[in-house]
This record gives sequence, C-alpha cells and structure tokens, in this order.
Amino acid sequence: AQSVAQPEDQVNVAEGNPLTVKCTYSVSGNPYLFWYVQYPNRGLQFLLKYITGDNLVKGSYGFEAEFNKSQTSFHLKKPSALVSDSALYFCAVRDYNAGNMLTFGGGTRLMVKP
Amino acid sequence: AAGVIQSPRHLIKEKRETATLKCYPIPRHDTVYWYQQGPGQDPQFLISFYEKMQSDKGSIPDRFSAQQFSDYHSELNMSSLELGDSALYFCASSLIGGSGEAFFGQGTRLTVV
Repeated sequence: AQSVAQPEDQVNVAEGNPLTVKCTYSVSGNPYLFWYVQYPNRGLQFLLKYITGDNLVKGSYGFEAEFNKSQTSFHLKKPSALVSDSALYFCAVRDYNAGNMLTFGGGTRLMVKP
Repeated sequence: AAGVIQSPRHLIKEKRETATLKCYPIPRHDTVYWYQQGPGQDPQFLISFYEKMQSDKGSIPDRFSAQQFSDYHSELNMSSLELGDSALYFCASSLIGGSGEAFFGQGTRLTVV
C-alpha cells in the first residue's frame, strides 16, 4: 500500500525567508510525486510533480521540490516566501505499478507573516 | 483552458435523504477520481474510473455508488445520508497516458442536517 506523511501540521515563516514543507512517502514500486496547494473553500491546485529525471523539479509560483530516493522524501521549497503563499499544502503519491489512485498526505498549513 | 466542472457547488440535505453529485472532466481526460474531504482533513480517495470502468476503490461507503457515462462525466450517488457525510467532495480528472497529474474541480460542499 502507498502512503504519504507530512510531519508538520503547520509551518510558520517570515516573508522573504526561505520555506520548506516536508513530505515522505512509501510505495512498493516507482513513485510519481505531486504537490498541491489548497486555498480556503477552493479545490486543490497542482503545483509541481516528479515523474523521472532531474531530482530537482520546478513548479508554479516559484516553488520547487527535491526528490530524494534514499530518504524517500519530496520536500517542497521556495527561496523567498510571500504572504500570499499562506495556504494548505498537500503532498501526494501515485504508484504506477499499483493503479491510478492518488494518495494524499495530511496536509501542512503554511503561514507566512509580514 | 477548460477545467473540471462540478455541480452543484453547495448542497444541503436532511438525514436519510439521497444526493447526486456531478463531475464533468477536462475534455479528453480518460480518468475521473472522487475524493471526500472532511473539515480539517486531507482528501480521502473514494473511487476512480478509467475509460468508464471502475479502476480503483478506496474508502467509499456501501451507501455510495458512482459511475462514469459515455460522455465521460461522472456522478456520485449518496443514499441514506448521515451527518458524518457532510464534507467537501472533489472530483479530479487526468490523462493516464499523459504526465499523470490530476486536476481538481472546485468541489461540492455537502451539508447534511
């Protein structure tokens, strides 16, 4: 079975500082990894994905994530946080050897303070 | 660009009533997913369809059923509603042969009173 863990319920960061939102995963086969962002009362918006290739992937709004196979991690990062980045962030995994299902982590609330 | 359309956006039902939620995927997407997100919870996978056939099944109660029609739209039917069914229900679609990410609709907020 596939699973995702986001160890922090909330991350607080000052505007202009770098941010990291952590994610670790567990799959039996090859992982396809995704980050989504959710604003209040809105659907989940796709941010970025790792399928294969370069371990550092870049996505929307200046976000990037680094795939680390040995640590089974896919942490989300941004060099300089904006107040408007404050939202709920979900990491998700799909094991392409085990169906199409996307499994989400519990979510991490990012609070960026001015 | 066209996105995933869900209807209705809001729905209020009484206990033991039935509800039908509709999802219209992005054109040419071949896979539809349904997720349930309770207050303060992460999205929980309910069920998915690939090319109109059920492909994966998650934590969908027996009181719920879903199907995908010939035009690829999908409906989630919920019967004998309980207070605990109150949640945001998201539909997502993807193209399996493509890059694989799922695109989500705005969700239907179901309130059972």
